[in-house]
Amino acid sequence: ILNVEQSPQSLHVQEGDSTNFTCSFPSSNFYALHWFRWETAKSPEALFVMTLNGDEKKKGRISATLNTKEGYSYLYIKGSQPEDSATYLCAFVDTGRRALTFGSGTRLQVQP
Amino acid sequence: NAGVTQTPKFQVLKTGQSMTLQCAQDMNHEYMSWYRQDPGMGLRLIHYSVGAGITDQGEVPNGYNVSRSTTEDFPLRLLSAAPSQTSVYFCATVGGGTDTQYFGPGTRLTVL
Repeated sequence: ILNVEQSPQSLHVQEGDSTNFTCSFPSSNFYALHWFRWETAKSPEALFVMTLNGDEKKKGRISATLNTKEGYSYLYIKGSQPEDSATYLCAFVDTGRRALTFGSGTRLQVQP
Repeated sequence: NAGVTQTPKFQVLKTGQSMTLQCAQDMNHEYMSWYRQDPGMGLRLIHYSVGAGITDQGEVPNGYNVSRSTTEDFPLRLLSAAPSQTSVYFCATVGGGTDTQYFGPGTRLTVL
């Protein structure tokens, strides 16, 4: 069983704060690292697919970095807004298969 | 283009009953997966398929069967439902050349 861990488990911030979360994953047999945004009662929404060591991806105020050698990825949200409130999931894909192993997520709540 | 569809959206079963959760996609993606969502445990992989006629087990396959006779469909069968199978089930595909995961809307299953 692959071990994918996310921290913190939950986070409460004020509107306008910048924040970041961590995802750690096995450093061997790396194929890809996914980030998802997941709102209650909805399906996970893909944010980023990261495949190369040193990758940096950005979508609006959200960005992510990847270090495959040490097995971690950071997700950053700049200037958090209440609509950013959601659970953020990372998922690891190894070279043997294309299905994902998920972390348990970081639940973000942004207070207006 | 409907993407990934799942039926039913909700289902209540009695212990020991069997049923099939349907998943269909119209994106011609080879890779399809089934996940279950449990509180505090995130999304866990049940079974996956890398193409028609090929399936394999994920982390939590016990009590579930799958088959993949066509590229479009990937049904999940509960052989004899148990209360521990009460969960939300998501089907997902991978494709588009970017390894992006596309999730279906989910099926909420309750086993009494």
